[in-house]
This record gives sequence, structure tokens and C-alpha cells, in this order.
Amino acid sequence: GAVVSQHPSWVICKSGTSVKIECRSLDFQATTMFWYRQFPKQSLMLMATSNEGSKATYEQGVEKDKFLINHASLTLSTLTVTSAHPEDSSFYICSAAPPGPSAFFGQGTRLTVV
Amino acid sequence: AQKITQTQPGMFVQEKEAVTLDCTYDTSDQSYGLFWYKQPSSGEMIFLIYQGSYDEQNATEGRYSLNFQKARKSANLVISASQLGDSAMYFCAMRWGWEGGRRALTFGSGTRLQVQP
Repeated sequence: GAVVSQHPSWVICKSGTSVKIECRSLDFQATTMFWYRQFPKQSLMLMATSNEGSKATYEQGVEKDKFLINHASLTLSTLTVTSAHPEDSSFYICSAAPPGPSAFFGQGTRLTVV
Repeated sequence: AQKITQTQPGMFVQEKEAVTLDCTYDTSDQSYGLFWYKQPSSGEMIFLIYQGSYDEQNATEGRYSLNFQKARKSANLVISASQLGDSAMYFCAMRWGWEGGRRALTFGSGTRLQVQP
């Protein structure tokens, strides 16, 4: 199936610093990518929709100034967690879909803010 | 409201037996897609199977089959001949509309499956 690659797999950062997470579609072009967050023992919750060449769309309750999304090309979307705090520690995972009914996910990034 | 419900927080199954994981959904839309994903402890989301709302036959992928009952709004996952490696979290998800990659998925709360030897 189609491949979505996400890096890094895990990251530990100090409180107050910023962290960038990359999501790439390796064998298809994705005008739209999605960012989800998953807290321990919970389900995936959509944070934002990343649109190539335009502004991201954020879900209610997600701070757009804190979670910066850039979708500069048809194969790359980035999520930057700015001024990270311990409560931002979570599992972040991106998704993209080639033409057709499928949807694929990156490997996910486990963020720990200390 | 559009909602996905998985009522089984945890399930146990003996190795080599079949198991059914339940999923119901609530939508007034006619066009939608239903997905099942497996999430092992590593966290990756592994795509298992897809069913479109207009598909007349139940989807099958190897040992996975989707028991789609449209009138009941259910999309249960059946895993045949369970293997130890099937132990994981399983999520049912739904995507509304026919815009394919332009729509996000909405997930159920998940079912943790444990396969016992």
C-alpha cells in the first residue's frame, strides 16, 4: 500500500522549546494531510487538516498559534509544537490518502516535554 | 450527530479461534466509508480493511472480513484463525462523503484484543 513517513519517531524536549514533526507521502501526492493526537489509552482525535498551499484548518479547541502547520509541497506537511509544555506530551500521528478509498498513517511521533 | 461506537474495551480470544469486534455508527449521510485499523504497542496505525457504504458485498482481506449491516449501522470486524501477533488495539473509523483524501477519519474508542495461546 501507499506509504506515509513521519519523523521523528520520538522526541524529548525541554519545556518552552519548539519541536517540528515531518509527515511525508512517499509515493503519491497529497493535497490534504491530517494531524491527529492520541493521549494514553485514548483514541485518535483530529487536530487539524493541512492543505497544500493554503492555511490549515484547526479543530475546535486546538490552538493554531501553538500547533503550527505548514504544507509547502504536495508530499510534505510539518507540525511545529511551539513553546511546548508538559501537557503537550502526547502521541502525534499524521495521515494522508492517495486517490481512492484508503487512508494511511505515518509511524507517529511520541513527544515528551520535560 | 456523526459518531462511531465500539462497546468492547477489551476482548480475549484463544489462538486459532475467530473473534468479532463490534462497531456501530451513527450518520444521516448516504455516502461514507468504514475503516478498521490495528494499532500495536509501537503506535503505528495499520490499515486492515475498508467498506464503502454502497458496496453490496462485505469486504474481505485475508483473515479479516467486515460484517457490514447497513440497516443496523454496524461494521463489525471478524478476524479468523487468531494469531498471537493479532494482540493489539483495534480501531473502527469512518469517513463521511465521497471526497476521499480531503476528509478526515473519525475514530471509535478502540478495542484491545488479547490472543491467548
